[in-house]
Amino acid sequence: EAQVTQNPRYLITVTGKKLTVTCSQNMNHEYMSWYRQDPGLGLRQIYYSMNVEVTDKGDVPEGYKVSRKEKRNFPLILESPSPNQTSLYFCASSMRQALEAFFGQGTRLTVV
Amino acid sequence: DQQVKQNSPSLSVQEGRISILNCDYTNSMFDYFLWYKKYPAEGPTFLISISSIKDKNEDGRFTVFLNKSAKHLSLHIVPSQPGDSAVYFCAAIVSVGGTSYGKLTFGQGTILTVHP
Repeated sequence: EAQVTQNPRYLITVTGKKLTVTCSQNMNHEYMSWYRQDPGLGLRQIYYSMNVEVTDKGDVPEGYKVSRKEKRNFPLILESPSPNQTSLYFCASSMRQALEAFFGQGTRLTVV
Repeated sequence: DQQVKQNSPSLSVQEGRISILNCDYTNSMFDYFLWYKKYPAEGPTFLISISSIKDKNEDGRFTVFLNKSAKHLSLHIVPSQPGDSAVYFCAAIVSVGGTSYGKLTFGQGTILTVHP
């Protein structure tokens, strides 16, 4: 079954404690991206990757890091989380660019 | 700066009637537009798309219309069904070149409720 898998689904953490949200896709897609969803703001792109070792900033990259060492995985790293990063995060992948992307089920992150 | 706007936070329609969801954009470089549907506790799922060289694209009960001069697109659902109740996001992208290449920009979303 074609899917994008994010882990964990839910996470509560404290300010400043580094965390990683994993994302894996089994469709051999080149393009992957991370979004955050906040009330009234819709989905905003954090980072995206066109292919292995090729990443670029989206609209709200501050406070986040990503890496793309292999095609299937695109982890999102928060080096020093802050409460304003409390949000619902989605990973997505697609065959090209961001067209017709497949999304993961989301990670609900709370930073206290 | 919100480049893609969905000005109606919610829409309520009766089963069997038409649902019309609207979306406006400001960036004239956008050349591909998409609609996604999102149910609670799930990720968004792709619904329908349209290239800027077209003004209409149809897929079953779903039709997307694009008015480039007005920088406006709309999603029509006919007939509406209770299972269509979800949040609908429109999105836009610059698919060829430009500084925004590869970045998908979403609107705020519209909550559609279809009553039986």
